[in-house]
Amino acid sequence: DAKTTQPPSMDCAEGRAANLPCNHSTISGNEYVYWYRQIHSQGPQYIIHGLKNNETNEMASLIITEDRKSSTLILPHATLRDTAVYYCIVRADSWGKLQFGAGTQVVVTP
Amino acid sequence: GAGVSQSPSNKVTEKGKDVELRCDPISGHTALYWYRQSLGQGLEFLIYFQGNSAPDKSGLPSDRFSAERTGGSVSTLTIQRTQQEDSAVYLCASSYRQGNTEAFFGQGTRLTVV
Repeated sequence: DAKTTQPPSMDCAEGRAANLPCNHSTISGNEYVYWYRQIHSQGPQYIIHGLKNNETNEMASLIITEDRKSSTLILPHATLRDTAVYYCIVRADSWGKLQFGAGTQVVVTP
Repeated sequence: GAGVSQSPSNKVTEKGKDVELRCDPISGHTALYWYRQSLGQGLEFLIYFQGNSAPDKSGLPSDRFSAERTGGSVSTLTIQRTQQEDSAVYLCASSYRQGNTEAFFGQGTRLTVV
């Protein structure tokens, strides 16, 4: 799987949009971009995934650049409950495992 | 069931004892994964099942660790002769199939070896 690079931490004000960057410059054509988050003392939670088109669901939006070498997860209106470690993962369709990196610790402040 | 269920939620064991950790995946999910997370660390992949077979067991740290899955459903992770460094939260996840689909995680089993 391609390696991803994320900032170790970022702060966000409650009610504002949180934009979480991820670099995956070695991504291959058959690899998807996945985002998970882990709230303290809980198991990881799936957020969203995409191949090359932008995706949106009830939790977030995923913006993937045209060259697919980077992406941004957008939490449109951050709440205190969004404080968590966010993981960007690149995974081939045929692969089983998700390879978690260090992620980005996001702290939402009042 | 409604989600991935793991038992026990907490386990304290003495060094040298064997432990078994259980994972009940979401009904109908053919893929099952085991991870562990040591205190303050990231998630470490252990093993992946597709049905009852394990095409990727590359993350098992030693031959003291083994896992099986029966009936394409319940999985058991066994740690023999536990050591203090085995203390961690062991997480199980399942997905409808391998590849392009989301995985759902359980709440984990916190193992403490004393």
